[in-house]
Amino acid sequence: SQTIHQWPATLVQPVGSPLSLECTVEGTSNPNLYWYRQAAGRGLQLLFYSVGIGQISSEVPQNLSASRPQDRQFILSSKKLLLSDSGFYLCAWSVLGDFYNEQFFGPGTRLTVL
Amino acid sequence: KNEVEQSPQNLTAQEGEFITINCSYSVGISALHWLQQHPGGGIVSLFMLSSGKKKHGRLIATINIQEKHSSLHITASHPRDSAVYICAVRGVNTDKLIFGTGTRLQVFP
Repeated sequence: SQTIHQWPATLVQPVGSPLSLECTVEGTSNPNLYWYRQAAGRGLQLLFYSVGIGQISSEVPQNLSASRPQDRQFILSSKKLLLSDSGFYLCAWSVLGDFYNEQFFGPGTRLTVL
Repeated sequence: KNEVEQSPQNLTAQEGEFITINCSYSVGISALHWLQQHPGGGIVSLFMLSSGKKKHGRLIATINIQEKHSSLHITASHPRDSAVYICAVRGVNTDKLIFGTGTRLQVFP
């Protein structure tokens, strides 16, 4: 069966510090991978989308970047965090190439920038 | 105006009550998802539907494509149903989802 892991589960970082959040998927190959952010009181917002290794689409201009160094690994990064980067970050996967499959979400990382 | 609107934003109920959460959207879609987010933040997919009605246990989801509206019903609600319920739509020829802001449900014993 497929599973998706995210770490860390919670993170408190000072403004201006770097960030690296990791997401890995097991039990599937060539998944579509997604990074979402859920800010307080707001809906989920798609940040990045990847259909394969090294292929990243950015949905909104921001202080963050994403990378996919391996097929089932998706990393969210920042060189210098802003207060506005605080939120709940969710990674998700779906089957590559099938527009009608559901997305499966990881447990999330709660990031607080102070 | 958001492309996906949910109502109500907050909902409280007594155990056993029948609950309805509504979702309206303004874009063409290929599918609509209902998701459940627990207090810890984890998200579980409840339904994915593109027409008609689906039922899983005490949960029922319906969609009316012409009216661009979906409802999630919970029969015989229970305190463990307390969570945020999120509606999300998938546009046409895309794998990306647009999310509503969620409905926070609290069911009291």
